[in-house]
Amino acid sequence: ETGVTQSPTHLIKTRGQQVTLRCSSQSGHNTVSWYQQALGQGPQFIFQYYREEENGRGNFPPRFSGLQFPNYSSELNVNALELDDSALYLCASSLGFSSYNEQFFGPGTRLTVL
Amino acid sequence: AQKVTQAQTEISVVEKEDVTLDCVYETRDTTYYLFWYKQPPSGELVFLIRRNSFDEQNEISGRYSWNFQKSTSSFNFTITASQVVDSAVYFCALSEMEKAGANSKLTFGKGITLSVRP
Repeated sequence: ETGVTQSPTHLIKTRGQQVTLRCSSQSGHNTVSWYQQALGQGPQFIFQYYREEENGRGNFPPRFSGLQFPNYSSELNVNALELDDSALYLCASSLGFSSYNEQFFGPGTRLTVL
Repeated sequence: AQKVTQAQTEISVVEKEDVTLDCVYETRDTTYYLFWYKQPPSGELVFLIRRNSFDEQNEISGRYSWNFQKSTSSFNFTITASQVVDSAVYFCALSEMEKAGANSKLTFGKGITLSVRP
């Protein structure tokens, strides 16, 4: 069984640019959640997708957007990058959006904004 | 609003020492889940335990044990006879229990960096 994978591993962008991060969920999982983890902080919830629909959003501006595809993989898009967007971006997949379902995390994408 | 506080930021112990990682939470929900995750240098979060708000029994898994006290809103984690491989960042997290309109959003603390020296 393949775990959660994320690409790319590392990314360097400049302020104002746009970025797309990708996540392949674990086989059979229909729910993907995205988190932002700034250096020295705990992960913060960005949003969750369940069967291609957004199912909850954290306190992030609209320039953070996402997609979930029919195969349940997901993308996180960030427009107009700011220096504070530099962080580790983690995705987690689960079999359903209930908290009862364990979330499996990927290794993350390290984004650096210069 | 939900909040998780991990007041300890860094702990350093010598191998074989016992160590306790503290977690205090705040929530207005009467039903919720509590979690502990481990984050090694590789970055991915590794699930350690989930406990629901109805179950205050302590749990032991090998060298790991957890103490959940609803009266003090605490969910502490103890590693017995620590090993160098236990070195990592440990996060406590909280989520609401399933109900209409809910999602499985996790609210994390800031984490505790544990260093175990040989």
